[in-house]
Amino acid sequence: EAQVTQNPRYLITVTGKKLTVTCSQNMNHEYMSWYRQDPGLGLRQIYYSMNVEVTDKGDVPEGYKVSRKEKRNFPLILESPSPNQTSLYFCASSRRGSGNTIYFGEGSWLTVV
Amino acid sequence: AQKVTQAQTEISVVEKEDVTLDCVYETRDTTYYLFWYKQPPSGELVFLIRRNSFDEQNEISGRYSWNFQKSTSSFNFTITASQVVDSAVYFCALSLYSGGGADGLTFGKGTHLIIQP
Repeated sequence: EAQVTQNPRYLITVTGKKLTVTCSQNMNHEYMSWYRQDPGLGLRQIYYSMNVEVTDKGDVPEGYKVSRKEKRNFPLILESPSPNQTSLYFCASSRRGSGNTIYFGEGSWLTVV
Repeated sequence: AQKVTQAQTEISVVEKEDVTLDCVYETRDTTYYLFWYKQPPSGELVFLIRRNSFDEQNEISGRYSWNFQKSTSSFNFTITASQVVDSAVYFCALSLYSGGGADGLTFGKGTHLIIQP
């Protein structure tokens, strides 16, 4: 079954404590992205990757890091989380090229206190 | 840069009424893709439709229909005979590549649709 899997799905953490949200896809997709969703703002892209070792900033990259060491994985790293990073996070993947479906993970609810 | 506007923040209708969700987009590119996603209270994003810029045919899928008009840069979504299960937040999104890679998806802010029994 085609899947994008995110973990953890729910997390409450404290300010400054480093955390990683993992994302894995089983479809051999080249493209992967991270989005955050905030009330009244919709979803905004944080980072994206077009292939292994190729990453770039999206619209709201501040406070986040990513890596793409393997094609299937695209972790989102919060080195020093702050309360304004409390949000719902989505990972997405798709095959390179036009006319392809974009697959989203189920979302990760993150609260920073 | 592209932009998607969903001017309706929240819509509330009574069950069985028809409802239209508006979406207006901006882009300078001639090749682009438009999407609608549904987000139920459980939080996941459910893909509803993808439309490329060269295909202006309207689409109907059961009670759902989409009206794409390049002349007005709009991609509106209509639910006919609404049901309580249609209650959700609906997002319209634009991408220059259907794969959502290089430029990713630009989302509107969403319309919260409430269907009252």
